[in-house]
Amino acid sequence: AQRVTQPEKLLSVFKGAPVELKCNYSYSGSPELFWYVQYSRQRLQLLLRHISRESIKGFTADLNKGETSFHLKKPFAQEEDSAMYYCALEAAGNKLTFGGGTRVLVKP
Amino acid sequence: NAGVTQTPKFQVLKTGQSMTLQCAQDMNHEYMSWYRQDPGMGLRLIHYSVGAGITDQGEVPNGYNVSRSTTEDFPLRLLSAAPSQTSVYFCASSSDHFSYNEQFFGPGTRLTVL
Repeated sequence: AQRVTQPEKLLSVFKGAPVELKCNYSYSGSPELFWYVQYSRQRLQLLLRHISRESIKGFTADLNKGETSFHLKKPFAQEEDSAMYYCALEAAGNKLTFGGGTRVLVKP
Repeated sequence: NAGVTQTPKFQVLKTGQSMTLQCAQDMNHEYMSWYRQDPGMGLRLIHYSVGAGITDQGEVPNGYNVSRSTTEDFPLRLLSAAPSQTSVYFCASSSDHFSYNEQFFGPGTRLTVL
């Protein structure tokens, strides 16, 4: 069975500092990976997905199959980045397995 | 276009009571699912449906039933509520059940079972 681990429950950084959210997964096949974000009082929404190779709101994520990781990075954090972030793995057919989440707090 | 809607927003039940959490989407999505969100555990899949008349179990289905009589609606039933079912419940939909699609989430229902 697949598993997603986000080792940090809380990340606190100052505005303008780099931020990196760690995500490790275990899955025997070839997974598709996502980052979802939940801002305060908003719905959970897709931030980015590996298959799109995109950068959204300055965030990027690289799939490292050797280390089974999909860490999320942003070089200069902004206060509006404060949110709950979830890494998710799709093994097949839209069924997502989520990590436990990392709360990011960007201080002014 | 309301997207995914859920009712109620909050609910308090006593142990043993039953209730239905409602979920509807107006995007003509084939795939719908229910997750529960618990602190430190992320979201866990309860049940899902790949189209009207088709449902299947997710990771944590015990204590919950679902049905999908229309494309738009996907209610979640708690037959006999237990304190372990205290959680925030999210409904989600996606355009089809093929892989790698974005899932759209509802606002959530916060359920407390006393």
